[in-house]
Amino acid sequence: EDKVVQSPLSLVVHEGDTVTLNCSYEVTNFRSLLWYKQEKKAPTFLFMLTSSGIEKKSGRLSSILDKKELFSILNITATQTGDSAIYLCAVGSSNTGKLIFGQGTTLQVKP
Amino acid sequence: DAGVIQSPRHEVTEMGQEVTLRCKPISGHNSLFWYRQTMMRGLELLIYFNNNVPIDDSGMPEDRFSAKMPNASFSTLKIQPSEPRDSAVYFCASSYRSLGSYGYTFGSGTRLTVV
Repeated sequence: EDKVVQSPLSLVVHEGDTVTLNCSYEVTNFRSLLWYKQEKKAPTFLFMLTSSGIEKKSGRLSSILDKKELFSILNITATQTGDSAIYLCAVGSSNTGKLIFGQGTTLQVKP
Repeated sequence: DAGVIQSPRHEVTEMGQEVTLRCKPISGHNSLFWYRQTMMRGLELLIYFNNNVPIDDSGMPEDRFSAKMPNASFSTLKIQPSEPRDSAVYFCASSYRSLGSYGYTFGSGTRLTVV
């Protein structure tokens, strides 16, 4: 059965800290891995990764994929209170054509 | 672009009543997905459509749930009869391709409370 596992499930840090969120997966016919940020409403898209070893970067956020070890990490440097959210990892399979989501990591950044 | 539009935003209903959730995908997108999100189970895919045809409904919890997509611009998710355990946020998402390579766009969700 396809599955996506995120860790940790929750994390509390202080402003300025750097955090690393983890996502491991077991999916038949892997196609892509996506990261989403969810605040109070719908998940919003952050990154899509399809190739190993190529870092995607957007401001203080970056992500990388390891297709050999079947995991991805999302790094957030110099965290701010506005980074507080649920971070979701999802994996797309070319077999099924759907995204499978992990449980999410709830990040709380304290002032 | 108005994005994916869901209605209603909030729904409170009594156990046993029929509930209908609505979704208008982004124009031009050919895949539509219904998800349910709870604290316990996270985001679960209920059903998805490709070119208005249901492709995989294995996530639909039981016969009380049904979904339709009569045309490319509208879909409904119906629960009849509703139960308290159906309380959750229901998201609709659409994408241009259904093969997982392309990110979804989510609607704002419908928060359903069954009392």
